[in-house]
Amino acid sequence: GAVVSQHPSWVICKSGTSVKIECRSLDFQATTMFWYRQFPKQSLMLMATSNEGSKATYEQGVEKDKFLINHASLTLSTLTVTSAHPEDSSFYICSARDLRTPDEQYFGPGTRLTVT
Amino acid sequence: DAKTTQPTSMDCAEGRAANLPCNHSTISGNEYVYWYRQIHSQGPQYIIHGLKNNETNEMASLIITEDRKSSTLILPHATLRDTAVYYCIVRALGNQFYFGTGTSLTVIP
Repeated sequence: GAVVSQHPSWVICKSGTSVKIECRSLDFQATTMFWYRQFPKQSLMLMATSNEGSKATYEQGVEKDKFLINHASLTLSTLTVTSAHPEDSSFYICSARDLRTPDEQYFGPGTRLTVT
Repeated sequence: DAKTTQPTSMDCAEGRAANLPCNHSTISGNEYVYWYRQIHSQGPQYIIHGLKNNETNEMASLIITEDRKSSTLILPHATLRDTAVYYCIVRALGNQFYFGTGTSLTVIP
């Protein structure tokens, strides 16, 4: 149980375009989901906390107009990277908190974004 | 949440116990110690967590010192598949997970 999926697993897009990444909790309901970014050889950096039905809370230094987060249901959150640039190329990872076990947080497999 | 300090890298012989230390000298009374690991290009995997008592599950053991200022994750019989970056995170329940730099563990055949 407690599986989180991400789609796509990797994506290549051209500079200036937007790309959407989906995060789904497959077998549980998640009122809260989290988005992380990880550059090569670095640790995970929390970008934002997403609560179902409300606006996301962004960490300091993360541009909310560039990284649009939508959490419209208890099983789906999306991250849209708008007007992507090569410096946005990174590994994007989501995680979800199970309603039943709020102490735990389950991570998705990640999405590799390459902006050319 | 309290910060943690871990060695940058460690090696361990296959079949031997891997002992990964973590310092968290500013931990608060309501903060738990969590361990996750990340195999290359995958999402983090939960290993174990504890408050003040030692914990054991099918993957590992967690030893927390009496003053709670440090802990050790023990993988009893390391295999090549345990090669990963191991993150020690201190977190109060309900708070977000903030990852430090972690320890890159290499299991050597």
